[in-house]
Amino acid sequence: DAGVTQSPTHLIKTRGQQVTLRCSPKSGHDTVSWYQQALGQGPQFIFQYYEEEERQRGNFPDRFSGHQFPNYSSELNVNALLLGDSALYLCASSSNGGVTGEQFFGPGTRLTVL
Amino acid sequence: GENVEQHPSTLSVQEGDSAVIKCTYSDSASNYFPWYKQELGKGPQLIIDIRSNVGEKKDQRIAVTLNKTAKHFSLHITETQPEDSAVYFCAADRDTGFQKLVFGTGTRLLVSP
Repeated sequence: DAGVTQSPTHLIKTRGQQVTLRCSPKSGHDTVSWYQQALGQGPQFIFQYYEEEERQRGNFPDRFSGHQFPNYSSELNVNALLLGDSALYLCASSSNGGVTGEQFFGPGTRLTVL
Repeated sequence: GENVEQHPSTLSVQEGDSAVIKCTYSDSASNYFPWYKQELGKGPQLIIDIRSNVGEKKDQRIAVTLNKTAKHFSLHITETQPEDSAVYFCAADRDTGFQKLVFGTGTRLLVSP
């Protein structure tokens, strides 16, 4: 059973560009959350998707948007990239609409903005 | 909103010693407290969690304690091994079904042989 998978592994962009990151949840999971982890920090919640809708959002600007597909996979889009967006972006999945509280994380996508 | 503080930021122990990592949280409505282990180049891995109706939970060499009155929770690792070396994160959540984990800043544990 594959766990949470993310692509790509690494990505380099320049300021002002746009980026799309992808996540496939663990088999049987229906809820996907995205987190940003700056170097040396704990992950910070960006938003969560359930039933193809954004259910709640952390303190991130509208430049960060997402999508969930019918197969529960998800995308994170970031527009107008800033140097400060450089971070590890983590996807986490959970089951039963997230009511269990347990989240499983993927390996992350390392984004570097030059 | 919730704020989670974690101490120490680094912890060095000898193999076989015990390690303790402490966290405090601010939101009295939080009732789910997971601990994650993150190895280099990997995503966080859940190692143990506790809910507010329980004061202590143990899984082999790992235990977590919770003091809701003081808003403290701690991770205890006994008989540490070199493979325990990693960054450990505590987190808190209201566990309402709308998960929004708030993480601490992490503790880098180094276990020397």
